[in-house]
Amino acid sequence: EVQLVESGGGLVQPGGSLRLSCAASGFTFNTYEMSWVRQAPGKGLEWVATIISTGSRIYYADSVKGRFTLSRDNSKNTLYLQMNSLRAEDTAVYYCAKYCTTNSCYTRYFDSWGQGTLVTVSS
Amino acid sequence: DIVMTQTPLSSPVTLGQPASFSCRSSQSLANSDGNTYLNWLQQRPGQPPRLLIYKISNRFSGVPDRFSGSGAGTNFTLRISRVEAEDVGIYYCMQATQYPLTFGGGTKVEIK
Repeated sequence: EVQLVESGGGLVQPGGSLRLSCAASGFTFNTYEMSWVRQAPGKGLEWVATIISTGSRIYYADSVKGRFTLSRDNSKNTLYLQMNSLRAEDTAVYYCAKYCTTNSCYTRYFDSWGQGTLVTVSS
Repeated sequence: DIVMTQTPLSSPVTLGQPASFSCRSSQSLANSDGNTYLNWLQQRPGQPPRLLIYKISNRFSGVPDRFSGSGAGTNFTLRISRVEAEDVGIYYCMQATQYPLTFGGGTKVEIK
């Protein structure tokens, strides 16, 4: 059974930093792309970033580019999101999602999600 | 960026009756590999999203057959043949044809 467990969320002041982690199990982590998707309180879903299986290519939403850094440690089956220069509009539940793509599944979809971790940016 | 627009915003439905929701993209989602990467997700209250339908009309593992998807190009539809109480939640379409990946604003399904 696929399990994705996020951690690292919390309250941070504007301009501050936070690092989220996502511990993965139940699948061969180093063969899948992984993503973060966020959801502001009472709002819809927003894709944040995706990293390919080897970590050599990363895609970011314009809203976080230059401030957030996505990385992975395949030896630890863990995904990370380093968030710097945080703004109030970054307040959201951050979901880690397994991204099944043409490389691994001959399609493209988020087939597994974690329960999410809440990030609140406020003074 | 591809903008995904869902209608209606909210849909009061009657148990046992059909329901349908629309999703439009600002440009064709047909990919150069011949596939159209349009997916539907369900988010029940207090839960993370869950994949229902991928590539327009393919039900994901474990999804009841009362859910179906159709469409092509820029216009897509999710249908529930007979709504059940557990179907309450928000339904999102999303495109995975190109980056940035984008979601529709969602359609909220409530029971009348």
